[in-house]
Amino acid sequence: EVRLVESGGGLVQSGGSLRLSCAASGFTFDNYRMNWVRQTPGKGLEWVSYITTSGAIYYADSVKGRFTISRDDAKNSLYLQMNSLRAEDTAMYYCARERYYDSDYGFDIWGQGTMVTVSS
Amino acid sequence: SYELTQPPSVSVSPGQTARITCSGDGLPKKYAFWYQQKSGQAPVLVIYEDNKRPSGIPERFSGSSSGTMATLTISGAQVEDEADYYCYSTDTSGNHRVFGGGTKLTVL
Repeated sequence: EVRLVESGGGLVQSGGSLRLSCAASGFTFDNYRMNWVRQTPGKGLEWVSYITTSGAIYYADSVKGRFTISRDDAKNSLYLQMNSLRAEDTAMYYCARERYYDSDYGFDIWGQGTMVTVSS
Repeated sequence: SYELTQPPSVSVSPGQTARITCSGDGLPKKYAFWYQQKSGQAPVLVIYEDNKRPSGIPERFSGSSSGTMATLTISGAQVEDEADYYCYSTDTSGNHRVFGGGTKLTVL
């Protein structure tokens, strides 16, 4: 079964740090681009960051300079190091796999998410 | 930064056709994807590359795109289709992903 399981969320004070992990199973992890997407309670989805199979990395402007995405293909794992956290970073954080369809990439597998709460 | 705009809500009666729009300046050049998210659950892909339906998605779900607008159509909406729907695309560089603000579909 193809699966993504996030962990590492919790309650942290404003200005603090947290490291999220996403454990992948059921597929060849190093063949896929991986993303972090977040969702503020009761609000919409926001793309956070993605990393390609070759290690190219991109961030949303809202997190650039504070968050760092990485992957360890040997451990089938994706990470998100979050520093200088703000109240507006409070959200459910999802790990999501991208796959290539006929002509473009899109998310096909999502984890169940890990909740991050930043207290001010 | 690139934005996709959706109506906040759409409401239809069971059996009616629901249409959810998504507008964005990059849509003439980039595909739109549509995700369904039910309460407390992770999103599920219902349409990819403007108008293609993944296996397992009911035929009542269809998509189209023209110019700067993409549309998700649910023909004969069912109560179980009540959910939030998000359009998704990338900016013209292909390096930044973006979701629309989401549309809450009510079927009652």
